[in-house]
Amino acid sequence: AQSVTQLGSHVSVSEGALVLLRCNYSSSVPPYLFWYVQYPNQGLQLLLKYTTGATLVKGINGFEAEFKKSETSFHLTKPSAHMSDAAEYFCAVISNTDKLIFGTGTRLQVFP
Amino acid sequence: NAGVTQTPKFQVLKTGQSMTLQCAQDMNHNSMYWYRQDPGMGLRLIYYSASEGTTDKGEVPNGYNVSRLNKREFSLRLESAAPSQTSVYFCASSEDQGGPYNSPLHFGNGTRLTVT
Repeated sequence: AQSVTQLGSHVSVSEGALVLLRCNYSSSVPPYLFWYVQYPNQGLQLLLKYTTGATLVKGINGFEAEFKKSETSFHLTKPSAHMSDAAEYFCAVISNTDKLIFGTGTRLQVFP
Repeated sequence: NAGVTQTPKFQVLKTGQSMTLQCAQDMNHNSMYWYRQDPGMGLRLIYYSASEGTTDKGEVPNGYNVSRLNKREFSLRLESAAPSQTSVYFCASSEDQGGPYNSPLHFGNGTRLTVT
């Protein structure tokens, strides 16, 4: 069965620093992987997705993620954090019943 | 363009009371979903509806019922609320053309439910 594990429920960075949010997946078939972001008091919105093709995927707001099959990882990065990036981030994978399975989330705090 | 609209935004219930959470989307999407979000557990799928007139159980359906009233509306009902159902509930929809990997989920802003 497909699943995702997000390492670190909270990550804190300074404004301008590198953002790295970790996600590892488990899948018996080639995975479809997603990152969603949830700003305070809002629903989730799609940040980026990997289906097939290029392993480095670019999303909105300067975020990108790299699919690494050898490491079963799909980590989310952004070179320079902005205060507006403070949110909760969810990694997700498509299950064998074609439904999204979400990780437990990582809350990103950005300090000035 | 409202997207996915959920009502109410907040609700407090006593154990044993019933209520219905309402969800409507104006994007002409085929699929609709109900998730619950709990600290440290991410989002878990309660029920989904792949098209008007069909509903299926998700990961945590016990204690809930749903109705896909028409293509726009998908309601979630708690018949006899329990403290374990204290959570934030999200409705979502997707077009589902070409599979879920091609159709991102669009979420409402959530309903925060407390059961005492």
